[in-house]
Amino acid sequence: QKEVEQNSGPLSVPEGAIASLNCTYSDRGSQSFFWYRQYSGKSPELIMSIYSNGDKEDGRFTAQLNKASQYVSLLIRDSQPSDSATYLCAVNLISSGSARQLTFGSGTQLTVLP
Amino acid sequence: DGGITQSPKYLFRKEGQNVTLSCEQNLNHDAMYWYRQDPGQGLRLIYYSQIVNDFQKGDIAEGYSVSREKKESFPLTVTSAQKNPTAFYLCASSSSGQTNEKLFFGSGTQLSVL
Repeated sequence: QKEVEQNSGPLSVPEGAIASLNCTYSDRGSQSFFWYRQYSGKSPELIMSIYSNGDKEDGRFTAQLNKASQYVSLLIRDSQPSDSATYLCAVNLISSGSARQLTFGSGTQLTVLP
Repeated sequence: DGGITQSPKYLFRKEGQNVTLSCEQNLNHDAMYWYRQDPGQGLRLIYYSQIVNDFQKGDIAEGYSVSREKKESFPLTVTSAQKNPTAFYLCASSSSGQTNEKLFFGSGTQLSVL
């Protein structure tokens, strides 16, 4: 089992729809969770961080965290073609009681169709 | 403008050759990182440094070496011992290296084997 797991996709949604991206992680003690967006051939950029259970909203983006079930999700409302990218989930897993440097999932490729 | 500069953008390595990837930051960040990304994969940590003259191995350090002689610079050498070096290499930095911090990425170096 991968330590940080994402559906690789590709995920296609029509313009204006809600895109839902999911991520599960292996370590119940993890404390910090991030979503990065990466356009093809470019470097990742942070779009959301979340540290507590529940929802965190920023514009059209909502991150949802459920530590008991060990998943974190990203919702993109009113999806636009410019949202087409690969979305990387990153988690600071715990090893021997200490937080490790971030572990990234393999990413979900999202395509928003005009 | 503050940021991270990676060079070169493209690099070709011959059999048995060592090559060095440059990474410079002017964000006054203490922590710097090197990640490797293979096609369709997430980022894997090669090395990281939280302070000048000190660095730690990441998950895939074999065949790589780094130095941190200056706060601003964290070059990565891909040695001939790395048998499968073709990948996209990303340098990143964060303020102090705490695992809840945002990572800032450079634009990446694509390394290929001739």
